[in-house]
Order: sequence, then C-alpha cells, then structure tokens
Amino acid sequence: AQKITQTQPGMFVQEKEAVTLDCTYDTSDQSYGLFWYKQPSSGEMIFLIYQGSYDEQNATEGRYSLNFQKARKSANLVISASQLGDSAMYFCAMSYAWADGGSQGNLIFGKGTKLSVKP
Amino acid sequence: ETGVTQTPRHLVMGMTNKKSLKCEQHLGHNAMYWYKQSAKKPLELMFVYNFKEQTENNSVPSRFSPECPNSSHLFLHLHTLQPEDSALYLCASSQPITAGGVTDTQYFGPGTRLTVL
Repeated sequence: AQKITQTQPGMFVQEKEAVTLDCTYDTSDQSYGLFWYKQPSSGEMIFLIYQGSYDEQNATEGRYSLNFQKARKSANLVISASQLGDSAMYFCAMSYAWADGGSQGNLIFGKGTKLSVKP
Repeated sequence: ETGVTQTPRHLVMGMTNKKSLKCEQHLGHNAMYWYKQSAKKPLELMFVYNFKEQTENNSVPSRFSPECPNSSHLFLHLHTLQPEDSALYLCASSQPITAGGVTDTQYFGPGTRLTVL
C-alpha cells in the first residue's frame, strides 16, 4: 500500500539558513507524483512544488527545491534562505494511478513537519 | 475572487443541527475534493468529484452528504454529526482526473473549522 513518512514532527531553523525536511514514500507503482504543501496556522494548504516519478531533474520553485532520490524513495524538501514567514506545517504527499489503469485522484499525505524559523 | 474559496470559515453546530459547507473554485478545474483534517492525524480524503460525477467515497459516514451541482461548486451537507467530527474540512480542485493517469496538482481552499458540540 502507498504510504508517506515524515519522521520529523518539528524542526527549528535560524532565519536566512537552509533547512531540509525529510519525506520517504512507499509504493510499487512506476508512475506517481510527489508534492509538498505548506499549511500556516490559518489552515490553508498551499502548494509549493511537484516532482513526477519520471522527471530526471530535481524540481525547483524559487527558494524551494525537491531532492528526489528515486532508488531510496525519498523526496526531501529544501528551503533555502529561511524567512520568518516560512514558519508553518509542511506536508509531503503522493499521488498514484491504480494498477488497473484507473485513477481516483487520491493524494496520500504524511503527518507533517512543523517548521519554526527563529529570528 | 481567485483560487478556491470556502464558506463559512468557522462553524459551531449542535449534534441535531443541519448545516452545509460550500466550496467554489475559480481555476477552471473539473475535479473537486473534500478532505478532513483532524488534530494529529494525516489529511483524509473524503469525496472526489470528476466532471460533477462522484468517483470516490472513502468510507465516509452517511451523515456527510456531498453535492456537486457544477464543476465550480462543491457542497458538504452535514446532519446529526458527532463531536468526533470536529475538524478542519478542506476543499481542493484540480485538472480532470484521467484514467491511468496520476492526479494533477490539487489546489486547496482555506478550510472550514468545524466544532460539533
């Protein structure tokens, strides 16, 4: 069964430093997508970055990059030059197609990592 | 309005009340989703609609009743809820779900924080 594991319940980082949030996944599918979302205390889930299983290059979006290591089944999020506004919960998620060719649009989420940026 | 909006943002209801949550997306998407986020639990998918047709009901109790009148609007009708149903309810939308394909990026609304007394 598909599963997302985020082993860091909480992390602290100094402002302007880089931080890596860990995510490992488990799937036997060849075709899947990996996402990172940010959830501030207001509750909205904000899409940050996407990596397809067949993408050879690591995805980057501004200060966010996804360190995709397919053989290790890991998809860590790297935030460079942390800002106070980066303090939030961060969720890793995976989408997949059913083995029989159907796709139900499922996203499997991890439990999240709470990032706190210190001034 | 842009993106995905949800109303109300906060809702307190008794167990005998009937209420509805509303979601509207302005992204031109054709797939819409309801998720439940309880404290200290991963996000749980509840319902999926693709081109107004329900394609997924993730074993959700019948006291939750979804409705999708068109591709832009999604409702979640609530009745005789239990205190354990208190949670953040998130709506999301995406490009259409295609058979054999991996779901496109889902964009979320701000959520409705529901408290059942």
